Amino acid sequence: DIQMTQSPSSLSASVGDRVTITCRASETINRYLNWYQQKPGRAPKILIYGASILQNGVPSRFSGSGSGTEFTLTISSLQPEDFATYYCQQSYSNPLHTFGQGTRLEV
Amino acid sequence: QLQLQESGPRLVKPSETLSLTCIVSGGSLGTSSYYWGWIRQPPGKGLEWIGSIYYSGSTHYNASLNNRVTISQDRSKNQFSLKLTSVTAADTAVYYCVRPHDFGSGYRGFDPWGQGTLVTVSS
Repeated sequence: DIQMTQSPSSLSASVGDRVTITCRASETINRYLNWYQQKPGRAPKILIYGASILQNGVPSRFSGSGSGTEFTLTISSLQPEDFATYYCQQSYSNPLHTFGQGTRLEV
Repeated sequence: QLQLQESGPRLVKPSETLSLTCIVSGGSLGTSSYYWGWIRQPPGKGLEWIGSIYYSGSTHYNASLNNRVTISQDRSKNQFSLKLTSVTAADTAVYYCVRPHDFGSGYRGFDPWGQGTLVTVSS
């Protein structure tokens, strides 16, 4: 099974900061990597697919990069609504999927 | 617009079977090339993919659930279901139904999600 490891598990930041979250796969997944945002009490929402492609309606301050086994999610200038938990997820082994353990982004 | 809605008992006793249904609206369960699936999230913890069912009826499950999972579909009612047998407190979680969406170029991601339903395993 492909394991996904995110770092850090939590991150303190301020409005306006640039933040980066890393996700590592236990084996190569090419660019089959998605990022989700989850706010308390809500279902996750997909932000990025294919490692770097923004889903419709996602602000351009979000960006993704990477391929193979190492990936990053960057928020260029944090906004108040960005404080949430972020998950990576591999779809390389579709229809089998795995998520990272999550990164909690807090003030 | 495709929408998913989970329904089922919120409280299940240990050793019994958890059963949930996902009602699909705004789209057809039988549409060619579509998958449908379930994901869960224990309180305060991360996301765990449970399994998926293809429009043809073929299924794929998370091996960590030790053969306790069955996902089925009822095209006449446009809904699909999850059964998880021999539940314990560790199965307490918010359960989401999802559609693994094909974005093209082989990229798939979960979109949309149901709102989720908390199922508690307790006597």
